[in-house]
Amino acid sequence: DIQMTQSPSSLSASVGERVTITCQASPDSSHYLNWYQHKPGKAPKLLIYDVSNLESGVPSRFSGSGSGTDFTFTISSLQPEDVATYYCQQHDYLLRFTFGPGTKVDLK
Amino acid sequence: QAHLVQSGGGVVQPGRSLRLSCAASGFSLRTAAMHWVRQAPGKGLEWVAVMSALLHDGSYKYYADSVKGRFTVSRDDSKNTLDLQMNSLRAEDTALYYCARDRKVGDNDAFDIWGQGTMVTVSS
Repeated sequence: DIQMTQSPSSLSASVGERVTITCQASPDSSHYLNWYQHKPGKAPKLLIYDVSNLESGVPSRFSGSGSGTDFTFTISSLQPEDVATYYCQQHDYLLRFTFGPGTKVDLK
Repeated sequence: QAHLVQSGGGVVQPGRSLRLSCAASGFSLRTAAMHWVRQAPGKGLEWVAVMSALLHDGSYKYYADSVKGRFTVSRDDSKNTLDLQMNSLRAEDTALYYCARDRKVGDNDAFDIWGQGTMVTVSS
């Protein structure tokens, strides 16, 4: 199965600060990567698909980059409504899907 | 507009069964792969199962190792609903369960539409 790691597991940042989360996948992954935002009591929300494509309606302060097994998710200017847990997600060529362990983002 | 509404869930004893349902509107489930994803209390998201769109030779289904042989995903095309039959439930199956639509762009599969979630508690 795909193994995925995310770092950090949690972070605190000030409003307006730049936030960066990294995700590393095992070599047998599909090399495609998606990012989700999950707030308590809400369904997860797709933010970035296929590494760097912004989902429709998602603010442009969210972005993704990377290739191979190393990927990065960035919030260019943290807003109060961005407090959430963020997950990366991949699948392998046998269509087994995996989420990263998540990064909890709080306000400082 | 595409929308998913979940039903089912509740409290069940270990070893018993439960069935979850996910009703789609705004699109046909036959044209989209659909997933079940769960979140145990205090834990992260865990993928559970996928059922493909209806292909020329039927639909394929894949399961996480943690539920293989116990959970079955199915689709009722007449009702446009996706079901998850959960048998031999264990305490570790306690979680908030989501259905989600798969949107395939090239070779990438992303979960673009999610249900509201339904809680399953396995306890004696």
